[in-house]
Amino acid sequence: ETGVTQSPTHLIKTRGQQVTLRCSSQSGHNTVSWYQQALGQGPQFIFQYYREEENGRGNFPPRFSGLQFPNYSSELNVNALELDDSALYLCASSPGGLAVSTDTQYFGPGTRLTVL
Amino acid sequence: GNSVTQMEGPVTLSEEAFLTINCTYTATGYPSLFWYVQYPGEGLQLLLKATKADDKGSNKGFEATYRKETTSFHLEKGSVQVSDSAVYFCALSVTSGTYKYIFGTGTRLKVLA
Repeated sequence: ETGVTQSPTHLIKTRGQQVTLRCSSQSGHNTVSWYQQALGQGPQFIFQYYREEENGRGNFPPRFSGLQFPNYSSELNVNALELDDSALYLCASSPGGLAVSTDTQYFGPGTRLTVL
Repeated sequence: GNSVTQMEGPVTLSEEAFLTINCTYTATGYPSLFWYVQYPGEGLQLLLKATKADDKGSNKGFEATYRKETTSFHLEKGSVQVSDSAVYFCALSVTSGTYKYIFGTGTRLKVLA
């Protein structure tokens, strides 16, 4: 059983650009969540997808968007990058169904995004 | 709204000391509560969880009890080891309308030999 993987490991972009981060969920997990973790802070919930539909969202603007694919992969897209978007972006998958709040999240190692 | 507040670190203890990391929460509905740990150079992983009031989660000698009356989920361990040095995050998940997962800011623990 493979764990959650993310790519790329590191990424440098300039303000105003767009970025796509990728995640491969653990096999059999129908739910994927994305988080933003600033240095020294806890992860901030961006959104969650279940069976390719968004079913939960944190306090992030619409320029943060996502996609989930049937093959357990997903993407986080961020448009019009701002300096404050610099952070570690974590993907987490969980096995449960729609909005199962008891589920454990299985985290990937993250993508470190730097916006200059 | 939903929020998690945990004690600020860093916490420095000697080996075999007793550990408590405080965590309190506010939530709409009936949250599940979690402790996650991040060891140096590793990703976040679940340490323990409790999904309803009065449940006790336990793992690797760590325990936490879901206290609805005090809205708390404090992490405890009777005798810490150097290998417990890590950052500990308290978190809740709740489904009220839509799904949300809220983390605390993390508490760094350093255990000295």
